[in-house]
Amino acid sequence: AQSVTQLDSHVSVSEGTPVLLRCNYSSSYSPSLFWYVQHPNKGLQLLLKYTSAATLVKGINGFEAEFKKSETSFHLTKPSAHMSDAAEYFCVVSDPGTGGYNKLIFGAGTRLAVHP
Amino acid sequence: DTEVTQTPKHLVMGMTNKKSLKCEQHMGHRAMYWYKQKAKKPPELMFVYSYEKLSINESVPSRFSPECPNSSLLNLHLHALQPEDSALYLCASSQDSRTYEQYFGPGTRLTVT
Repeated sequence: AQSVTQLDSHVSVSEGTPVLLRCNYSSSYSPSLFWYVQHPNKGLQLLLKYTSAATLVKGINGFEAEFKKSETSFHLTKPSAHMSDAAEYFCVVSDPGTGGYNKLIFGAGTRLAVHP
Repeated sequence: DTEVTQTPKHLVMGMTNKKSLKCEQHMGHRAMYWYKQKAKKPPELMFVYSYEKLSINESVPSRFSPECPNSSLLNLHLHALQPEDSALYLCASSQDSRTYEQYFGPGTRLTVT
């Protein structure tokens, strides 16, 4: 079975400092992995995705993530936080499922706060 | 255009009302999804439509009734809801049901009184 664990429910950083949001996954298959961001009262926006190509994945707004199979991790990083990065972040792993449908398995989410 | 639109943005309804949520995409995607998201929780899958046919119903109560009139539109009909059904309802689409990458709409914030 596929699962994903986000290791921090809350992360707080100062503006201009690095961001690290941690995600570990468990998968019986070669997974596809995603990070989605959700700003308050908004829908989910895809930040980046890993689908078995390059292990270092670059996304929008300066975010990137590295797929580490040996550590079953897919941590999200950004060199310098901006106030607009304050949001909820979800790490997501794919689940091939049955019946021709691929399912997304969501982590519990990490709330990122950015202080001036 | 990678946009999924949802209407209305907010909806307040009584437990005896009938209302509908609407979702639209013009990306040519053939899979569409309804999710329910409670506060401070990840989205939970409710329904999956593939090529306008209902493929997955995640044991959702019958007071929620999905409909896919065509490949661009997805509706969620609501009837006799309970206060615990208050949540953000998100629509998403993907190229097809075997594609993992899903695009989400902004959601409808539903309050049941």
